[in-house]
Amino acid sequence: EAGVTQSPTHLIKTRGQQVTLRCSPISGHTSVYWYQQALGLGLQFLLWYDEGEERNRGNFPPRFSGRQFPNYSSELNVNALELEDSALYLCASSLVTGVTVNTEAFFGQGTRLTVV
Amino acid sequence: GENVEQHPSTLSVQEGDSAVIKCTYSDSASNYFPWYKQELGKGPQLIIDIRSNVGEKKDQRIAVTLNKTAKHFSLHITETQPEDSAVYFCAARVNQGGKLIFGQGTELSVKP
Repeated sequence: EAGVTQSPTHLIKTRGQQVTLRCSPISGHTSVYWYQQALGLGLQFLLWYDEGEERNRGNFPPRFSGRQFPNYSSELNVNALELEDSALYLCASSLVTGVTVNTEAFFGQGTRLTVV
Repeated sequence: GENVEQHPSTLSVQEGDSAVIKCTYSDSASNYFPWYKQELGKGPQLIIDIRSNVGEKKDQRIAVTLNKTAKHFSLHITETQPEDSAVYFCAARVNQGGKLIFGQGTELSVKP
């Protein structure tokens, strides 16, 4: 069974540009989470999508946005890129069952974004 | 607010020794505590988890303990091997919040 897949694996962008990162969850999972991992730092929560809706948002500016499609895949968009946006962007998926009860979250390999 | 503190930030052990990593969480509503292993250039891999209705869980050389009263949980790795070398992250989740709050990570180095 395929795990969480992310594309592209690496990306170089210029300051001020826009970028779109993509994530396909594990088959059967309805929730997708996005995290930012800057070099040498921990994982910072960005966004949580479930059943096509944004459920929760981390402490990031509005230029970080995303969406989830009917097939549960997701995109993360970052506008007006800044140098400090350089990081590994990780996507995870899980299944929400019952009343907001989440299963384990599994991560993809990430997209390494470099802003120059 | 929500916070997870993880210690130590680096840990070096000899092959065969045990390693212990400790985490403390702030939100008493947290009820799920996973541990992830991240190797260089890869995404975090779930290695073990524990839910708040359980005090201890073991999977071969890896065990996790949870003290809800003290809001502490720990990862124990016995008989360490060089391939255990990686960065380990603890996390905590409140079900309705969905998101995982991560500790700062522990870089474990197992010397042959």
